[in-house]
Amino acid sequence: EAGVAQSPRYKIIEKRQSVAFWCNPISGHATLYWYQQILGQGPKLLIQFQNNGVVDDSQLPKDRFSAERLKGVDSTLKIQPAKLEDSAVYLCASSLNRNTEAFFGQGTRLTVV
Amino acid sequence: AQKVTQAQTEISVVEKEDVTLDCVYETRDTTYYLFWYKQPPSGELVFLIRRNSFDEQNEISGRYSWNFQKSTSSFNFTITASQVVDSAVYFCALSEGGRNTDKLIFGTGTRLQVFP
Repeated sequence: EAGVAQSPRYKIIEKRQSVAFWCNPISGHATLYWYQQILGQGPKLLIQFQNNGVVDDSQLPKDRFSAERLKGVDSTLKIQPAKLEDSAVYLCASSLNRNTEAFFGQGTRLTVV
Repeated sequence: AQKVTQAQTEISVVEKEDVTLDCVYETRDTTYYLFWYKQPPSGELVFLIRRNSFDEQNEISGRYSWNFQKSTSSFNFTITASQVVDSAVYFCALSEGGRNTDKLIFGTGTRLQVFP
C-alpha cells in the first residue's frame, strides 16, 4: 500500500515570497492533517480535514496560511507571504477516519531566508 | 489543558541494553488516546502504537513494550535489547476523543542514540 506522498521535499524561499506544498493521502483515507514541526519540537496541528470539510483550523495563521482539500483527496497548503519563523518541516498525515491512527508523509522542509 | 511531557531530551545506550522512554500526559477528558511515533533521520513519523484510555493492559510487540498507568498519567515505552536501527527521535502523543477535533498533541520528543 502506498504511503502519504508529499512534494516538494525541500524548499528555500526568501521572506515575503509565497510557497505551496502538496499532499496525496493514502487511498480511502477520509481524514487529512497538516502539521508544522519546528526544529527541536513536536509537530503542531495546523488544519484537519474530514473529506473536503475543515474540522479544525484553530491554530492556522489565517492571515498568511491557507489550505484546501480538492474533492476530498489531495490537499495543498499555501503560505503567502512567508516569514522567517515559518521555517519548519510541514508534515501531512492521513487516517482512515477520525480517532484512528494517522500515517505521516516524509514532510517538506521549508527554509525562509 | 492537554499536555504531553517527555522529560528525557536525549538518551544514549550501547547496543543490547534495555531502555525506557518516559511519557506523562495531562487531560481532563475521560476518553482519550495515546500514541507513540518514531521519527528516523528521514523525517517521516512512523506509527508504533495507539492505546485508548479504557484499556490499561500492557502491550508487547517484539522488542517493544508499553506500560500504561492511568494512576500516574504515564505511558512509558521500553525497548529491550536495543539495536543501532532503533536510533531515532521518539514522540509520545495524546488525542482527546469526543471532541470536534482529534488532533495529536505531541511531546517534545526523546532522541535515542544506540551505539554499537
